[in-house]
Amino acid sequence: GESVGLHLPTLSVQEGDNSIINCAYSNSASDYFIWYKQESGKGPQFIIDIRSNMDKRQGQRVTVLLNKTVKHLSLQIAATQPGDSAVYFCAENIGYSTLTFGKGTMLLVSP
Amino acid sequence: NAGVTQTPKFQVLKTGQSMTLQCAQDMNHEYMSWYRQDPGMGLRLIHYSVGAGITDQGEVPNGYNVSRSTTEDFPLRLLSAAPSQTSVYFCASSSRRFTDTQYFGPGTRLTVL
Repeated sequence: GESVGLHLPTLSVQEGDNSIINCAYSNSASDYFIWYKQESGKGPQFIIDIRSNMDKRQGQRVTVLLNKTVKHLSLQIAATQPGDSAVYFCAENIGYSTLTFGKGTMLLVSP
Repeated sequence: NAGVTQTPKFQVLKTGQSMTLQCAQDMNHEYMSWYRQDPGMGLRLIHYSVGAGITDQGEVPNGYNVSRSTTEDFPLRLLSAAPSQTSVYFCASSSRRFTDTQYFGPGTRLTVL
C-alpha cells in the first residue's frame, strides 16, 4: 500500500521521458531475474524477466539489461506514462521458484 | 480464473491472539509462498511449499506456521500475534517450472496492537 514507498529511492520523470531503474543483486549464482511493478494497495505484478545467459531482453516499452560482471540489473521504460507510477522491485531466483527481492524504487511520473 | 486470492483484506489483532491468513489459487500451481512487506523494504519470504504436503522455511519464519494439504490452499497461521508482525502479507504461486513467474495475491494488511 501507500506505506511501501516510505524511505525508498525515488525517480521523478516527466511524461514521455525514458526511465531507467537500477538494481544491484547479491548472489553471483542467481540465474533468473524478474522485475515487478507494485501499485499502491496492490500485490506485485510481473513486468519482465531475464535469464543469466542473456544480456538484454525487450518487452513492450520495457527493456531489461543484465551485467553479470558487476551484478547489476536495470529496467528501462520507454515513453513513460503516468500509469507507470509505482514501486519497482527487482528479484533474483534462489531455487524452487523462491525469490529474493530488492528494496524497490519509486517511480513518479508527472504529466 | 480468479488467480491468487487472499482473505481477509484487513485484520486487527491484539497481542497474543491467533489467526489464519487464507490463500488460494486456481491455476493448479505447484509452488506457493508467503511474503511479508514492511515500509521501505522489499518482500521477505516467510514460508514456501513446492507441492501438497511439502513446506519449508524462508528468510523470516519465526512466529508463523504453514501447511499444504491441497494444491489450491496455503494458509498462514499466527499462533500468538506480536506487534512486530504488523505488516502486509502477500501470497504467491507459480507453476512447477523452476524459473516460472510468481503470481501474487492482493495482500492482507495486518495490524497487531
